[in-house]
Amino acid sequence: GESVGLHLPTLSVQEGDNSIINCAYSNSASDYFIWYKQESGKGPQFIIDIRSNMDKRQGQRVTVLLNKTVKHLSLQIAATQPGDSAVYFCAEKSVGSATNKLIFGTGTLLAVQP
Amino acid sequence: DSGVTQTPKHLITATGQRVTLRCSPRSGDLSVYWYQQSLDQGLQFLIQYYNGEERAKGNILERFSAQQFPDLHSELNLSSLELGDSALYFCASSPARAGSSSGANVLTFGAGSRLTVL
Repeated sequence: GESVGLHLPTLSVQEGDNSIINCAYSNSASDYFIWYKQESGKGPQFIIDIRSNMDKRQGQRVTVLLNKTVKHLSLQIAATQPGDSAVYFCAEKSVGSATNKLIFGTGTLLAVQP
Repeated sequence: DSGVTQTPKHLITATGQRVTLRCSPRSGDLSVYWYQQSLDQGLQFLIQYYNGEERAKGNILERFSAQQFPDLHSELNLSSLELGDSALYFCASSPARAGSSSGANVLTFGAGSRLTVL
């Protein structure tokens, strides 16, 4: 497969461990955040989202935490599996925006070791 | 299959040439977005169309242009190509132009078109 980027932060975890991927955003006006997963050779795929009126949201094996005070977002993956290996992007959208365009972070490469 | 179709998947061309990338949005989606992904820039927003009209513009070069047709498919035209234009170009779609509900905010991406300029 093709790599998305040569200079991405990388998180290496053992299969079965929990993973935490972090993201800092800069726009305090952002009110909606999404995590996307991009596997090699594929387009970004929606994982989970959270609105700014929430601190935490859980999905299947994934949890997103939002700390608006320090403008920080994290994605927790429980019992990480080899299929979770991918680049993970956080994305944000601004309050009152007349467009649904998302602004993406730089991404983190998650490498799951068997 | 995300429902967003992009063609071609791969394209190799020379500097100075012009190419057209095509995108068919997911059924029912009215908004189309174009993003560029290069090795050192991540996912950069280029432009958004909603129901045929341009709605938002990002860091799109003047050499690039796009349009959305009445059947809602979109084309991204890249001209006077330079080596630095080599990248993955993604199309995404969403149901609406903008919205407060989670469903309206989620962008669904296609598999991308890889452009290589030699």
